[in-house]
Amino acid sequence: NAGVTQTPKFQVLKTGQSMTLQCAQDMNHEYMSWYRQDPGMGLRLIHYSVGAGITDQGEVPNGYNVSRSTTEDFPLRLLSAAPSQTSVYFCASRIYNEQFFGPGTRLTVL
Amino acid sequence: GNSVTQMEGPVTLSEEAFLTINCTYTATGYPSLFWYVQYPGEGLQLLLKATKADDKGSNKGFEATYRKETTSFHLEKGSVQVSDSAVYFCARGDGGSQGNLIFGKGTKLSVKP
Repeated sequence: NAGVTQTPKFQVLKTGQSMTLQCAQDMNHEYMSWYRQDPGMGLRLIHYSVGAGITDQGEVPNGYNVSRSTTEDFPLRLLSAAPSQTSVYFCASRIYNEQFFGPGTRLTVL
Repeated sequence: GNSVTQMEGPVTLSEEAFLTINCTYTATGYPSLFWYVQYPGEGLQLLLKATKADDKGSNKGFEATYRKETTSFHLEKGSVQVSDSAVYFCARGDGGSQGNLIFGKGTKLSVKP
């Protein structure tokens, strides 16, 4: 089991560029989510999904899009990157009440 | 707003010292409570959890007891090791059916030999 995997590990974007952060899990978990981690802020929920074809917004969804076409994959799209989106992004999947986190993607927007 | 409050860090201790990291929460009802640990350069890992009042979660020498009277879930360890150096996050369930979590801001622990 690879668990939750994320790519890329690091990314630098210019303001206005778009990109997709990839997340995959091989545990057949229905629930997946995206968080961002900022210094002194803890983790904040961006979007989540309770199964293929179903997504919903979390606490800080603006500027991000998600889709869930398969159980395994849950990509996060930045449509037009802004410096305020500089952060570390974590994907997670959940079974019962235990969440499993990926290693994170460190994104810098210049 | 954030309804999980942790003590500010960083916390620096000598090896074998006693550790307490305070965590309090506000919530309607009795949410599940968690401690996650993040080692340098890694994602978060579940350290322990408690799902109802008076439950004690424990793992790797760490313990935390769900205290509904004081709405607290303080993390303790009797003798820390250098390998315990990490950031510790307290979290609670958000009360919804999806099982989303609300995290505290994290407490960085550094243990010196």
